[in-house]
Amino acid sequence: QVQLQESGPGLVKPSETLSLSCSVSGASVSNFYWGWIRQPPGKGLDWIGYFHNTGGSNYNPSLKSRAVISIDTSKSQFSLKLSSVTAADTAVYYCARLATSDWEYYFDYWGPGTLVTVSS
Amino acid sequence: QSVLTQPPSASGTPGQRVTISCSGSGSNIGSNTVSWYQQIPGTAPKLLISGNDQRPSGVPDRFSGSKSGTSASLAIRGLRSEDEADYYCAGWDDYLNGPVFGGGTKLTVL
Repeated sequence: QVQLQESGPGLVKPSETLSLSCSVSGASVSNFYWGWIRQPPGKGLDWIGYFHNTGGSNYNPSLKSRAVISIDTSKSQFSLKLSSVTAADTAVYYCARLATSDWEYYFDYWGPGTLVTVSS
Repeated sequence: QSVLTQPPSASGTPGQRVTISCSGSGSNIGSNTVSWYQQIPGTAPKLLISGNDQRPSGVPDRFSGSKSGTSASLAIRGLRSEDEADYYCAGWDDYLNGPVFGGGTKLTVL
């Protein structure tokens, strides 16, 4: 059974960098695409970015190059860094596995999510 | 504003059949498959439908999905109180080269 778990600070100051990690068990982080999705309080889901160990990656252009995803295969983890945060970045952040084949793309396994609040 | 359009709310009584629509464009729903997610408040989204109409193991057959052109639908038959949740459609946008979501539909079981 594939399981994901987010970890990281729950409070980040404005203008600083938000850093989250996602620990993966039951699947190899080397063999799949992995992504981050966030959900502002009371709102819908927003895609942040996705990454594959072979180098395939992309980010939501609305984030204006503030997001970077990386993978640490030795720890079976992948991470998100989001720089220059503002209150608008306050959200529950989810890590998830992105399943892909031909014209099929979907997030099949999700972490429970972690709330990150941006406030001084 | 979400790329995919869903009605903000839907409702039904126990045992009824409810459908939730999802509208997109040629660069997303028109070109790739649609997935659906169920989110019970306070929990992570759960994959309900992939590939337009495929149910992952463990998802009851009361849930079904379909797609036609640039629109998709999720149908729930035999509505139960535990189906009360937010439902999101998602697709892949070829211009963005990334996933796009609907704004979500809050389903109330009366």
